[in-house]
Amino acid sequence: KNEVEQSPQNLTAQEGEFITINCSYSVGISALHWLQQHPGGGIVSLFMLSSGKKKHGRLIATINIQEKHSSLHITASHPRDSAVYICAVRFLATASKLTFGTGTRLQVTL
Amino acid sequence: NAGVTQTPKFQVLKTGQSMTLQCAQDMNHEYMSWYRQDPGMGLRLIHYSVGAGITDQGEVPNGYNVSRSTTEDFPLRLLSAAPSQTSVYFCASSYRGQGTYEQYFGPGTRLTVT
Repeated sequence: KNEVEQSPQNLTAQEGEFITINCSYSVGISALHWLQQHPGGGIVSLFMLSSGKKKHGRLIATINIQEKHSSLHITASHPRDSAVYICAVRFLATASKLTFGTGTRLQVTL
Repeated sequence: NAGVTQTPKFQVLKTGQSMTLQCAQDMNHEYMSWYRQDPGMGLRLIHYSVGAGITDQGEVPNGYNVSRSTTEDFPLRLLSAAPSQTSVYFCASSYRGQGTYEQYFGPGTRLTVT
């Protein structure tokens, strides 16, 4: 079965902390997306990965294709990073469709 | 570009009523999708389209209809609303670039069925 699992489900951090959110998936993929959703807000695409690592500002996304695992890191976290972070993958067999994880709710406090 | 637009932003329906959620994109994307988002669950695919005139069912299609008469528009119709359809609905569009698909989401429609 094509599945996507994220951990942790909820995460609270203090401002300035280094944050890691994990995503694992069951079978081969063509791409993995990290998405951000602020409370009551729309969904924004942060990264799309098929291999290696990408960086944008304080955000870093990595993927290990062999281990079927990806991580999203936030360095020097800030209260404005508080959001739900969602991992979504395109499985090889159904590449035009996205399968979503249930999301990680991050709260960054002062 | 306006990107992906959805209307309305909020809607309250009574059980049994019908309505259409509108979705449009101005990026000439071939792929469009409708998802619903419920607490504790990942986004689930309702219907999708790979081009004008072509639609297919996703994971949770019951109670919903779609059509794609133009590349730009992909409306979602609720035929007879039920409380189980209370959810946040997202429309998305994507195009195939560099071997995979770039994805864009609309702002969402929050629907309550009483």
